[in-house]
Order: sequence, then C-alpha cells, then structure tokens
Amino acid sequence: GDSVTQTEGPVTLSEGTSLTVNCSYETKQYPTLFWYVQYPGEGPQLLFKVPKANEKGSSRGFEATYNKEATSFHLQKASVQESDSAVYYCALSDQRGSALGRLHFGAGTQLIVIP
Amino acid sequence: DTTVKQNPRYKLARVGKPVNLICSQTMNHDTMYWYQKKPNQAPKLLLFYYDKILNREADTFEKFQSSRPNNSFCSLYIGSAGLEYSAMYLCASSRGGTLYFGEGSRLIVV
Repeated sequence: GDSVTQTEGPVTLSEGTSLTVNCSYETKQYPTLFWYVQYPGEGPQLLFKVPKANEKGSSRGFEATYNKEATSFHLQKASVQESDSAVYYCALSDQRGSALGRLHFGAGTQLIVIP
Repeated sequence: DTTVKQNPRYKLARVGKPVNLICSQTMNHDTMYWYQKKPNQAPKLLLFYYDKILNREADTFEKFQSSRPNNSFCSLYIGSAGLEYSAMYLCASSRGGTLYFGEGSRLIVV
C-alpha cells in the first residue's frame, strides 16, 4: 500500500537558519502530494499541494518539488521564524475527484524555532 | 468562513461505553472525513462520506460507525470503547482535494 516517511522530530532551529524536512513516499499510482501544517491548538491546514511530477509548490516562504524519480517531496525554507514553530505533515493521495482527500500522511515533524 | 467545528473537544469515556463525536461545517462541502491521530503516529483515515455514501477503511470497518443526517453534520460513533480508542479524532471537509480540518476531539478511554 501507499506510505509516507518523513524526518523524525523534533527539529530545533534558531531563527534565520534554513530548514529541510525530508519526505519520501511509496505508491503504485500517480499521486498528488501535499504539505500540511498544524499550529498548536489548531487542526492541520494545507500549506500547498502539487499534483504533477517535477513541479514545485510554495507558500509562506516554504517550498517543495515533486521529484517522481526520487519519490521525494522535501520541504524547505531558507530562513525560519519563530512563528513557523508547528508540526509539518507530508501526505499523498492516489485518488481523484471526490476521494482526493483520502490521504496517507507521514507521522509529522515538529519544528521548534528558537528566537 | 472555512470553519469546521468539532464537539466535544475533550471526552473521557469508560471502557465498554459508547462514544459519539460530532462534526459540522458550513461550507457546503460534499465530502467529510474522519481521521484518527495517536501520538508519534501518522493521522489515519477511518472513513469518509461523499454526499450520503459512506466509505469505511477496511482495517477499521467494524470499529467505527458514522452518520450524516444532512450535508453539514457528520458523526463518528464507537459502540463500545476500548483503551486502544484513546486518540485525537480529526474531522475534515474538502473541496478540490484540500482538506479543512477541525481542531479535533481528544478521546481518553479509562
């Protein structure tokens, strides 16, 4: 079946440093890939999604490229802020239409940014 | 308004007792989902409704029930709670593949 593996947290960084959260996936289908972010006390929310191989998604200074050959979708940010402290989930969907929200999530990576 | 509301936020239940969790959304989304999240594990899909059609995951088929009396509401029902049901339950609705999550219902079974 489908699976997603991502960097195990917590990841602790100082403000202004760069972030990479690794995400690798396995599927026999043609997935849409997602990054979700969950701030303390809130539910997860979409950061961005990329439906096509070799394309890049970005939002709020975060970006990730759908690398079909490497089956990876690593999340990067050049300079993190304290407000980026949250849990980040990589996810994939191998469905279309009304079932596109049927997601396989990674276990999440907690990011702690120290001012 | 992209709000999904869940009730209760916290639930303490005894082993063997039933549990009913409620989710509502006002975005007129046709699909609603329930995910289970345990510490250090990935959120796991339990079931989803597309309109009035319920789809349950094979490995949790007998453990959870659900109803959707109208487009806005969806419940998650556990007939007899066991310790293994202790988790955060996340409801979401979707449009165009984007999930909009509620804040979750934390269930503790003792």
